[in-house]
Amino acid sequence: QVQLVESGGGVVQPGRSLRLSCAASGFTFSSYGMHWVRQAPGKGLEWVAVIWYDGSNKYYADSVKGRFTISRDNSKNTLYLQMNSLRAEDTAVYYCARDPGAPGGEPTYYFDYWGQGTLVTVSS
Amino acid sequence: EIVLTQSPATLSLSPGERATLSCRASQSVSSYLAWYQQKPGQAPRLLIYDASNRATGIPARFSGSGSGTDFTLTISSLEPEDFAVYYCQQRRGFGPGTKVDIK
Repeated sequence: QVQLVESGGGVVQPGRSLRLSCAASGFTFSSYGMHWVRQAPGKGLEWVAVIWYDGSNKYYADSVKGRFTISRDNSKNTLYLQMNSLRAEDTAVYYCARDPGAPGGEPTYYFDYWGQGTLVTVSS
Repeated sequence: EIVLTQSPATLSLSPGERATLSCRASQSVSSYLAWYQQKPGQAPRLLIYDASNRATGIPARFSGSGSGTDFTLTISSLEPEDFAVYYCQQRRGFGPGTKVDIK
């Protein structure tokens, strides 16, 4: 079965960096686009970034553009989110999610499988 | 940028009742709209995509309708496990959510 397991969250000071990982299993990871979606405590969902199945295209929300980088290692079935210059408003649970688009095709921007999330707290 | 609004913010119903949730887009999104269910402490779950298609494993009591700017998620008869927050979503944007709680 499809499994997505995030890791790397924690408490970090403003201005510092953190890298999240998402280990995928149960499907052909290299065939699917992947997303990061976050949720601040008690708030709604916010899309963060998308990466094409082969890493050829990446897009970001305006709120993280220039500070966050999405990447993937298809040989390790792992998705990453490098977060730099962190701010208090980046505090959230970060979810990785699979895009159900046709294998090898463009993402649909739907999210059919989600990880359990990893909490990032930015605080001094 | 397309903005999604959801109504009502909270819906108080009893098990067995019908729930009707609304999502409105600030401009036409054709049928490119999804609905998600989220329970406390859990990740969201995809219910409906392309406005009216049920995702894999979603019970038939969940149905979606609409196109253009106005969309509806209907739960025909609420089960105890359906009390949750529901979000609509269109590409990079999510609505603010509707909480369905027990009356």
